[in-house]
Amino acid sequence: EDQVTQSPEALRLQEGESSSLNCSYTVSGLRGLFWYRQDPGKGPEFLFTLYSAGEEKEKERLKATLTKKESFLHITAPKPEDSATYLCAPRGNDYKLSFGAGTTVTVRA
Amino acid sequence: KAGVTQTPRYLIKTRGQQVTLSCSPISGHRSVSWYQQTPGQGLQFLFEYFSETQRNKGNFPGRFSGRQFSNSRSEMNVSTLELGDSALYLCASTSFSGTDTQYFGPGTRLTVL
Repeated sequence: EDQVTQSPEALRLQEGESSSLNCSYTVSGLRGLFWYRQDPGKGPEFLFTLYSAGEEKEKERLKATLTKKESFLHITAPKPEDSATYLCAPRGNDYKLSFGAGTTVTVRA
Repeated sequence: KAGVTQTPRYLIKTRGQQVTLSCSPISGHRSVSWYQQTPGQGLQFLFEYFSETQRNKGNFPGRFSGRQFSNSRSEMNVSTLELGDSALYLCASTSFSGTDTQYFGPGTRLTVL
């Protein structure tokens, strides 16, 4: 069965204090690892898709990287508007997304 | 391009009732997936429909069902509601035409009293 573990569960950062979120996964036949951002009471918002180990993608202050067993989401010099829950979801051979529990990031001004 | 829309946005029902939620995918998208999100269990996959056929199913009881119409719009139904069915129900659509990203709607907040 696919397993996804995100750590830490919660992260409190000072504005400008960079950090990384971890997503460890076990899935049969990875067909992409997806990162989403979710604000309270809203649907997840797509951020990145990574397909192969060594791949990196960037968007503003966010950079996602992928290895064979983990993905990292690096937040560089975060701002309060980066506060959200970040979800990772690998997709396996069955084309289903398996979501982790998420990391809730709070950035204080 | 309009995003995924879900109706209604909020619902309050009582135990034993049934409910139908609706999802309209992004124009041109043919796949719709449904998820249940609760604080304790996170986002859990319910089922996926592609071209009016259920292609994948999660581990939910038969009280949860869905269907997809020829215009790709989808509905999910929950019968004999239980208190534990209170959740945010999300639908996501995919194009499967080169990019296979799932784009989510805003969700329907269901409260069962």
